Amino acid sequence: RKEVEQDPGPFNVPEGATVAFNCTYSNSASQSFFWYRQDCRKEPKLLMSVYSSGNEDGRFTAQLNRASQYISLLIRDSKLSDSATYLCVVNFHSGGYQKVTFGIGTKLQVIP
Amino acid sequence: NAGVTQTPKFRVLKTGQSMTLLCAQDMNHEYMYWYRQDPGMGLRLIHYSVGEGTTAKGEVPDGYNVSRLKKQNFLLGLESAAPSQTSVYFCASSLQDTGEQFFGPGTRLTVL
Repeated sequence: RKEVEQDPGPFNVPEGATVAFNCTYSNSASQSFFWYRQDCRKEPKLLMSVYSSGNEDGRFTAQLNRASQYISLLIRDSKLSDSATYLCVVNFHSGGYQKVTFGIGTKLQVIP
Repeated sequence: NAGVTQTPKFRVLKTGQSMTLLCAQDMNHEYMYWYRQDPGMGLRLIHYSVGEGTTAKGEVPDGYNVSRLKKQNFLLGLESAAPSQTSVYFCASSLQDTGEQFFGPGTRLTVL
């Protein structure tokens, strides 16, 4: 089993639709979680951190389920500009040791 | 502030040649990282540093060396390039090991 698994997609959705992505992780000791966005041939940029209580930023909602070891990203009212690849990131750190694991990303294409 | 910069942006090497990729950040971040990104593999951590003068191995360190002589710079070296090292290389930095990583624009390396 991969340490971090994502459905690579692509997810093709019409403008205005709601779309959700899941990401599962295998290390139950993982401590911090993030969603990054990566546009084609560009660097990843942080979209949002994922907290145990869940968090919302405008049209975006992220949730963490530690019991089932997955995080999710919900995008409401999709815009054309949301088209990108969404990377799930799972972080384990202890003292000077750090293990950062990226998922392969889920590609989203929002269609007019 | 420039954030995270990488040089060069593109490079073509022949098998066996050596080169150094330079990463610089002006955010006074303690943590710096080198990743490679390959199709279908996601971002994989090569080496990282938790502070000036320190380095540590990531997931795929073989064939690479790094140095962090100054806090703002993190160098990635390829001593004898191989075609398997053809990839896009991203540098990143973060203030804390739990926090957001800021990425550079990437270096596209082709080894013939």
